[in-house]
Amino acid sequence: DSGVTQTPKHLITATGQRVTLRCSPRSGDLSVYWYQQSLDQGLQFLIQYYNGEERAKGNILERFSAQQFPDLHSELNLSSLELGDSALYFCASSVAGGSTTDTQYFGPGTRLTVL
Amino acid sequence: GQSLEQPSEVTAVEGAIVQINCTYQTSGFYGLSWYQQHDGGAPTFLSYNALDGLEETGRFSSFLSRSDSYGYLLLQELQMKDSASYFCAARGRTGGYQKVTFGIGTKLQVIP
Repeated sequence: DSGVTQTPKHLITATGQRVTLRCSPRSGDLSVYWYQQSLDQGLQFLIQYYNGEERAKGNILERFSAQQFPDLHSELNLSSLELGDSALYFCASSVAGGSTTDTQYFGPGTRLTVL
Repeated sequence: GQSLEQPSEVTAVEGAIVQINCTYQTSGFYGLSWYQQHDGGAPTFLSYNALDGLEETGRFSSFLSRSDSYGYLLLQELQMKDSASYFCAARGRTGGYQKVTFGIGTKLQVIP
């Protein structure tokens, strides 16, 4: 158990809908990272927040947005869902901002299925 | 832009040593990370190299050469449980934003 929690574990929804994925970092960790993993594209970094501020971005679609709240939990919002958004979404947390040696701890993931 | 190259598959014998290479093209490069992921599991962070040289952690070592835009992960005394996918990821800066880009992952198969 990494100490990072993600809810829900599974989510099934329809195209065009909007969903919110939630992540609680390990106690004391200030950074939260979001990743998408689909069968045909491997592991894709989406975005990182550090202490409430956006710190780094990957190839995150405009239909996707995220935020980190004062209690440091984070939410990833996916809207206008398409079939291709079906994937496993991982959250990770780390103590610091990530530009130095900084271990990331991954949650178990949320499996999103868009029908 | 940002891109990384790593082999898609590697096979090695139990007890042997294997090296997984990663070359990158990353503007404003900060450092290179390595992750391990077993089938059906979450990724596990292995190492982060910001400076040139070799970092050793038990049976795993990671190397970085910034001048060659190249790094590798070295796994020694291979065990069957090391069969997994290994991803390299580069952190850099583009247009005022930090970016992290992953390689496609190298699927390592350890055989008896």
